[in-house]
Amino acid sequence: DAGVTQSPTHLIKTRGQQVTLRCSPKSGHDTVSWYQQALGQGPQFIFQYYEEEERQRGNFPDRFSGHQFPNYSSELNVNALLLGDSALYLCASSLGVGGSTSGSMQYFGPGTRLTVT
Amino acid sequence: AQSVSQHNHHVILSEAASLELGCNYSYGGTVNLFWYVQYPGQHLQLLLKYFSGDPLVKGIKGFEAEFIKSKFSFNLRKPSVQWSDTAEYFCAVMKKAAGNKLTFGGGTRVLVKP
Repeated sequence: DAGVTQSPTHLIKTRGQQVTLRCSPKSGHDTVSWYQQALGQGPQFIFQYYEEEERQRGNFPDRFSGHQFPNYSSELNVNALLLGDSALYLCASSLGVGGSTSGSMQYFGPGTRLTVT
Repeated sequence: AQSVSQHNHHVILSEAASLELGCNYSYGGTVNLFWYVQYPGQHLQLLLKYFSGDPLVKGIKGFEAEFIKSKFSFNLRKPSVQWSDTAEYFCAVMKKAAGNKLTFGGGTRVLVKP
C-alpha cells in the first residue's frame, strides 16, 4: 500500500522564479491538502483539493496556487518566489466521504524542501 | 482565529524520565485532536488522536494523551522515555464543522539524553 509521495525531495530556486511541487496521495484517498512548515515552526495550512476543486484555503497569497488531477494527484505552484517562501512543503492525503472531508484522517508525505536564494 | 499553543519549545530529559507536553487550543466548538511526531529526517507521523469517547487516549510507542474539554487542553504523556523518543512533537486541532484542515501548534523539540 503506497503512502503519500512527493517530488522533488529538495529544490533550490532564485527569488522571482516559479516552482511546482507534486504530490501523489495514499492509495484510495481522493483529497489532498498542502502545508508549509517554516524552520522551527509547525505546519501551516495552505489549501485543500477535493474533486479537482480548491475546497479550503488558508492565509496564503494568490502567488500560491494548486491543481488536482483526475487521478487525485496534486500540484502546488508558487510564483514570484520570495526568500520567506523557503520551507518544507508537506502534502497530506485523506478520504472525502459524501462530498465532505470533515473529520477524516490525514496522512503526510515526506515533504519537499524548498530553498529560495 | 483558532490557535493552538504548545507551552514548551524545548525539553531535555534523561532516559526513563517521564514526559508531559502541554497543548491548549482556543476554538470553542467540537474538535478532533491529534499529536504528531517528526523524528529527525523523517516525515510527520501520527502518535494518537481523539475524536470522541474516552478522553484518555492511547497511542503508539507508549504515548497517551488526555482531553480535558473544560480546559481546552490535550496534553501528551509518556511515563518513561527512551533515547529514540528524541523528536519534535506537534499538537494539532481539526474543527469538525470545517472539513479536515489541521491547525498545528508550534511544536516542542524533545531531546532524550542516554
